[in-house]
Amino acid sequence: QVQLQESGPGLVKPSETLSLTCTVSGGSMSSFYWSWIRQPPGKGLEWIGYVFYSGSTNYNSSLKSRVTISVDTSKNQFSLDLSSATAADTAVYFCARGGWYVDFWGRGTLVTVSS
Amino acid sequence: EIVLTQSPGTLSLSPGERATLSCRASQSVSNNYLAWYQQRPGQAPRLLIYDASRRATGIPDRFSGSGSGTDFTLTISRLEPDDFAVYYCQRYGGSPPSTFGGGTKVEIK
Repeated sequence: QVQLQESGPGLVKPSETLSLTCTVSGGSMSSFYWSWIRQPPGKGLEWIGYVFYSGSTNYNSSLKSRVTISVDTSKNQFSLDLSSATAADTAVYFCARGGWYVDFWGRGTLVTVSS
Repeated sequence: EIVLTQSPGTLSLSPGERATLSCRASQSVSNNYLAWYQQRPGQAPRLLIYDASRRATGIPDRFSGSGSGTDFTLTISRLEPDDFAVYYCQRYGGSPPSTFGGGTKVEIK
């Protein structure tokens, strides 16, 4: 059974870069897309982007100028960097398997952007 | 960009009743690339249905998906206590690659 676990700071200052890592266990990263999805408190889901195991990416156009998603298959990890963070980026961030529909999710990690 | 509108916003039903949730797209969803997820409080979403009507692994057959083009439906034939949750639809495979609907909350009446 594939398991995913998000890690990273729970508090980020405005204008700084929000950085998270997802560690994948119980399965190979090969041949799959890997996504980041977020959910502001009390609101719905927003797809951020995905990375293919080979490194190619696709991002939500509304975040594209600030987002970088990368993969390190040797460590079974993929990462999210979101630059110039604002309070609007406060959300639970989920990592997940799949670039289309998503079949395995991490538990999510709350990131608050505040000074 | 395709916008997904889910209705109703909240559905109040009793255990054992049938739930019918709607997801309407502003443009036709190519290849019926539409998924449904269930999210219980404090948990990650769980994939229920993909390709509009295919049940994901381990999903009970009381969950079914139907529809095509712009109108899609998730039906829960007989609600069980664990089914009271928020449900999201998602379209995928186009440009942009993925968008979610706003969700429908199924609550106990």
